[in-house]
Amino acid sequence: EDQVTQSPEALRLQEGESSSLNCSYTVSGLRGLFWYRQDPGKGPEFLFTLYSAGEEKEKERLKATLTKKESFLHITAPKPEDSATYLCAVNSGGSNYKLTFGKGTLLTVNP
Amino acid sequence: KAGVTQTPRYLIKTRGQQVTLSCSPISGHRSVSWYQQTPGQGLQFLFEYFSETQRNKGNFPGRFSGRQFSNSRSEMNVSTLELGDSALYLCASGTGGGDTQYFGPGTRLTVL
Repeated sequence: EDQVTQSPEALRLQEGESSSLNCSYTVSGLRGLFWYRQDPGKGPEFLFTLYSAGEEKEKERLKATLTKKESFLHITAPKPEDSATYLCAVNSGGSNYKLTFGKGTLLTVNP
Repeated sequence: KAGVTQTPRYLIKTRGQQVTLSCSPISGHRSVSWYQQTPGQGLQFLFEYFSETQRNKGNFPGRFSGRQFSNSRSEMNVSTLELGDSALYLCASGTGGGDTQYFGPGTRLTVL
């Protein structure tokens, strides 16, 4: 069964203080690893899809990377509007089209 | 392109009642998945439909059911509601090949 572990559970940063969120996964045949951002009371907003080790994707202050066992979401010079819960999910050959999610990292960026 | 829409956005029910939630996917998407989100368990997979066929089901009791129509719109039904069914129910749509899924705003269900 697919497993996803995210760390830390919560992270508090000062505006401009760069950091990284971790997503460790165990799957049989990774089809894709997905990062989402979720604001309170809203649905997850898609950020990135990564398919193979070594792949990197960037969007504004966010950069996602992937290895064979984990993914990192790097946040460069964050702003208060980056405050949200960041969710990692995997889809694998053995999971038949379902996403398995981690519990998320709650990021708070203080001005 | 319009995103995934879910109706209603909020529901309050009492124990023992049943509820039906609706989801309209992004135009052209034939796969619709449903997830339950609670503070304790996070996001958990309920089921996935593609071209009116259920392809996968999560570990939820039979009180949770769903269906998909020929226009790809989907409904999920929960019968004999329990207090523990209070959650945010999320619908996601995709092309169906295990690729990116896009989520709707969710339906907040409260069971009293």
